[in-house]
Amino acid sequence: AQSVTQLGSHVSVSEGALVLLRCNYSSSVPPYLFWYVQYPNQGLQLLLKYTSAATLVKGINGFEAEFKKSETSFHLTKPSAHMSDAAEYFCAVSGPRGATNKLIFGTGTLLAVQP
Amino acid sequence: KAGVTQTPRYLIKTRGQQVTLSCSPISGHRSVSWYQQTPGQGLQFLFEYFSETQRNKGNFPGRFSGRQFSNSRSEMNVSTLELGDSALYLCASSLEGQPQETQYFGPGTRLLVL
Repeated sequence: AQSVTQLGSHVSVSEGALVLLRCNYSSSVPPYLFWYVQYPNQGLQLLLKYTSAATLVKGINGFEAEFKKSETSFHLTKPSAHMSDAAEYFCAVSGPRGATNKLIFGTGTLLAVQP
Repeated sequence: KAGVTQTPRYLIKTRGQQVTLSCSPISGHRSVSWYQQTPGQGLQFLFEYFSETQRNKGNFPGRFSGRQFSNSRSEMNVSTLELGDSALYLCASSLEGQPQETQYFGPGTRLLVL
C-alpha cells in the first residue's frame, strides 16, 4: 500500500530564509508524487508533480522538489521565503500507471513566515 | 477556462438530515473525485467518477454516495448525517482520471452538522 509521511506539522521560517518541507513516501511501484498548497478557506492548488521524467521538478512560485528514490523522499524547497508563502502544504502520492488516480495525502505542514 | 466550482460553499445541517453537494468540473474533464478534509483525519478519498460510473471508492460508509451526469457534473450525497460528518468536502477534476494527471480542486463545501 502507498503512504506519505510529512515530517513537521508546523514549520516557521523568517522572510528570505530557505524553506524546506519534508515528504517521504512508501510505494512498491514507481509512484507519482505531488505537492499541493492550501490557503485559508480555499481548495488545493498544485505546486508541482513528479511523473518519472526529471528527478528535479520545478513548480510555481519558485518552489522545487527533488525525487530521491534511494531515500524515498520528495522534499519541497524554496530558496527565499516570502510572506505570501504562509499556507498549509500537502504531499500526495498516486499510481501506478493505469491504476486509480486516488491521491493519498500526508498530514500536511503548516508554514509560517516571520517578518 | 473556468475552474472547478462547488455549490454551496457553506452548509449547516442537523443530525439525521441528508445533504447533497454539487461539483462542476473544468470543461473537458471527464473524471471527478471527492475528498473529505477534517482536522482529525486529514484529507481522505471518498470516490471517483468517470463517464457516469464510479471507478473507485474510499473507505467510507454507505451513507456517502455520489453520481455523475452526462455533462461530467457530479453530486455527492450524505444521508443520516452525523456530527463527525462536519468537514470540508473537496471536489477535484482531471482529464481522464489517470494517476499521473494533475487534479484541479474546487474551493470546497464546508459542512457543519449540529
